[in-house]
Amino acid sequence: GAVVSQHPSRVICKSGTSVKIECRSLDFQATTMFWYRQFPKQSLMLMATSNEGSKATYEQGVEKDKFLINHASLTLSTLTVTSAHPEDSSFYICSASRSGEAFFGQGTRLTVV
Amino acid sequence: AQSVTQLGSHVSVSEGALVLLRCNYSSSVPPYLFWYVQYPNQGLQLLLKYTSAATLVKGINGFEAEFKKSETSFHLTKPSAHMSDAAEYFCAVSENAGGTSYGKLTFGQGTILTVHP
Repeated sequence: GAVVSQHPSRVICKSGTSVKIECRSLDFQATTMFWYRQFPKQSLMLMATSNEGSKATYEQGVEKDKFLINHASLTLSTLTVTSAHPEDSSFYICSASRSGEAFFGQGTRLTVV
Repeated sequence: AQSVTQLGSHVSVSEGALVLLRCNYSSSVPPYLFWYVQYPNQGLQLLLKYTSAATLVKGINGFEAEFKKSETSFHLTKPSAHMSDAAEYFCAVSENAGGTSYGKLTFGQGTILTVHP
């Protein structure tokens, strides 16, 4: 199967700082990637669709100025949480599609202190 | 619009017993349906998927699921539970519309499966 790598797996940052999370498709090209957020004991909620070479499409209620998405190449999408606050602490997971199937990264546990 | 409902946030079975995790969906177009497993602090692993071919879908680790259009259900089963099956399971739906819709998933609330010795 296809491999999607997400980095870092865990990050702790101070309130007010920014954190960048990378999502890479290692063995295939992905024109579209997806970013999800999962709060403790809850399901995954789609945050945004990342499109290579164009602006991301955000789901309702997701602040695009806070969650900056860049998809500059066919194998890399980045999510930057700007001016992070404790309520942004969550598990962030990316996915990339190939042949009608979504492949997920390992996830990033963000803790804002 | 599409949605997924997983009945039962927690399911507990004995080792060797039947596993049944329930999933009902709502979709305005023919859906693609998926079951994923998630271990703590890890990403999601695909167990199986329904993409409008055979209604009984077999997946990895002995799991299978049956698509029932009349019941809008896609329940996950395994004849005999193993301790290693203990994890959280998510049912998901994707619009069968092709293009960038592939991979844009709507997830159910998840079901935590506990397996007792």
